[in-house]
Amino acid sequence: DIQMTQSPSSVSASVGDTVTITCRASQGISSWLAWYQQRPGKAPKLLISAASSLQSGVPSRFSGSGSGTDFTLTISSLQPEDFATYYCQQANSFPLTFGQGTKLEIK
Amino acid sequence: QVHLQESGPGLVKPSGTLSLTCAVSGGSISSDNWWTWVRQTPGKGLEWLGEIHHSGSTNYNPSLKSRVTISVDKSKNQFSLKVSSVTAADTAVYYCARAVETALGSDCWGQGTLVTVSS
Repeated sequence: DIQMTQSPSSVSASVGDTVTITCRASQGISSWLAWYQQRPGKAPKLLISAASSLQSGVPSRFSGSGSGTDFTLTISSLQPEDFATYYCQQANSFPLTFGQGTKLEIK
Repeated sequence: QVHLQESGPGLVKPSGTLSLTCAVSGGSISSDNWWTWVRQTPGKGLEWLGEIHHSGSTNYNPSLKSRVTISVDKSKNQFSLKVSSVTAADTAVYYCARAVETALGSDCWGQGTLVTVSS
């Protein structure tokens, strides 16, 4: 299985800050990476697919980049509703696997 | 707008079979999508269990493959998950989801349902 490692595991930031979350795959996955946001008690929400393609309705302050094994999710100008847990998922090969999550907390 | 809703027992006895159904509304299960099951535990995080296409084609997570069965019921516009020989380690929140293409991730999710394995 492809292991997905996110860093950091948690990060504290303030409204208006820019935050970057990193996801590393244990082997190359081309650009087949998705990013999800999960709020407490809710299902994950797809933010970005294919490493950098923003889902319809997702604010443009979210952006994704990377290919191969290293990927980033950047959230600029943080808003109060952005404080949540973020997961990456590789969709290059079965079984699909997720990172362990990055909890974004208010400073 | 497709809406997914999980249903099934919230408590299953050890060695029993966990059975969940995901009702699809606002769209057809016979559309060209992949219908997926994911579970979440505090210890293991998010775990992809498998997926099915309306044609019947399936992909499973090998770590559970021998215990997991995903099926489609076109007449009821729903799909189902069965996990056999459950243990406490199968206690989790189970989500059903849809992927237009597997490689693009799941863009629509049910609200999730907690299943506890306990005697």
